[in-house]
Parts: sequence; structure tokens; C-alpha cells
Amino acid sequence: DGGITQSPKYLFRKEGQNVTLSCEQNLNHDAMYWYRQDPGQGLRLIYYSQIVNDFQKGDIAEGYSVSREKKESFPLTVTSAQKNPTAFYLCASRSGQRPEKLFFGSGTQLSVL
Amino acid sequence: KQEVTQIPAALSVPEGENLVLNCSFTDSAIYNLQWFRQDPGKGLTSLLLIQSSQREQTSGRLNASLDKSSGRSTLYIAASQPGDSATYLCAAPGNQGGKLIFGQGTELSVKP
Repeated sequence: DGGITQSPKYLFRKEGQNVTLSCEQNLNHDAMYWYRQDPGQGLRLIYYSQIVNDFQKGDIAEGYSVSREKKESFPLTVTSAQKNPTAFYLCASRSGQRPEKLFFGSGTQLSVL
Repeated sequence: KQEVTQIPAALSVPEGENLVLNCSFTDSAIYNLQWFRQDPGKGLTSLLLIQSSQREQTSGRLNASLDKSSGRSTLYIAASQPGDSATYLCAAPGNQGGKLIFGQGTELSVKP
């Protein structure tokens, strides 16, 4: 089945630790996105990538880093500089061709120990 | 800068009622608008995508409309069921290429 796979489903971070969230897609989509969702605040864009080896900061990129070495993969690292990392993280992808429908993974819940 | 607003934030209706969810956007130069459903603790599921050349899209009991001139989209749910209870979000393209801007969502509760 084609789709987007996020792992792990739940992740716990200790203070001062960097953690990496995985996002893999087999939809052959060019563009991939990372969103953060906090209760009552909707989705906020962290980073996005429209093509391999290129990515742009979203609205809340501080404390996060990404890479896009392969078309299928767009991992997100939450660094120790992110002081409030507890949130639900959603990865998405879409084709660069119209109608450019956006598809989401099932999300990763990150909590601080 | 594109801004997307959804009103109301929460809605509770009895089963069987027809209802309308609203989505407003500030930059009308959009090429599509997408509606999503989110169940608690889950990812977003795409419901309908309306392209700028269309005025409506239908899927089963759902109908979405788009009026670019007024900066509005509506999601109409006919004969609501308890299984429709979820948060509904709309998203429109931002001013920069590739970005999608989301509304805060409308949390719908359908009571049996």
C-alpha cells in the first residue's frame, strides 16, 4: 500500500538530548513537510522540502533540523535547543503536479521525561 | 501573508442534522483548498480538495464549496452521524511556493 510512515508512534526525550523522528513515503512525491500540533493551536509548519537536497524553514524552525538526502525520506531532529518539544508531530507529502493533494502520516507524540 | 480562519471552534449537534463548517482565507489568489478530518491522536485524513476552477466537490454526504471572491469555503455535512465526530481542518496555499496554511479546526460532536 502506498502511503506515509512515521516512526516511532511515541517518543520520550530526556533533557539535553537530541531525538530524531522518521518519515518515509512511497508515493513518489517531490514535496515533504513537517508540522507541529499543540492542543488548541492547529498545525504549525516547521520545515518543508520541495525537492531532494533542498529544504526551507517554516514558521517555527528554531530548535529543529532536517535533511532530505533521498526522495522517500525526510527525518526531523528535535535538538536540545528546542525548550518545549512536547507536541504531536505530523509529516506530510504531496506531488508537485496539480491537484497537489496533501497526504499525512499517522503522527509521532513526543514527550519530555 | 495568508491567514486561514475556521468558525466555530467547536460545534455540537444532534444526530441527523445537516450542518455547515466555515473556512475563511485572506489571500484569494489560491489554486486549491483542501478539507481534512482528524480523529484524536491520529493523523489527518483528506476529505475533499477543490481546485480554483471548481466551485464544488462532493463525496458521499460531504459537499465542499469554494468562493475565491469572498475568501470563503464551506464544508456541508448531510444527515450527520455520531461517527462524524472529529476535528475538521481546512488548508490553503501560503504566499510562498509549497507552503500550506491551516485553520485552527472545528471540533464537531454529533450526539446520538
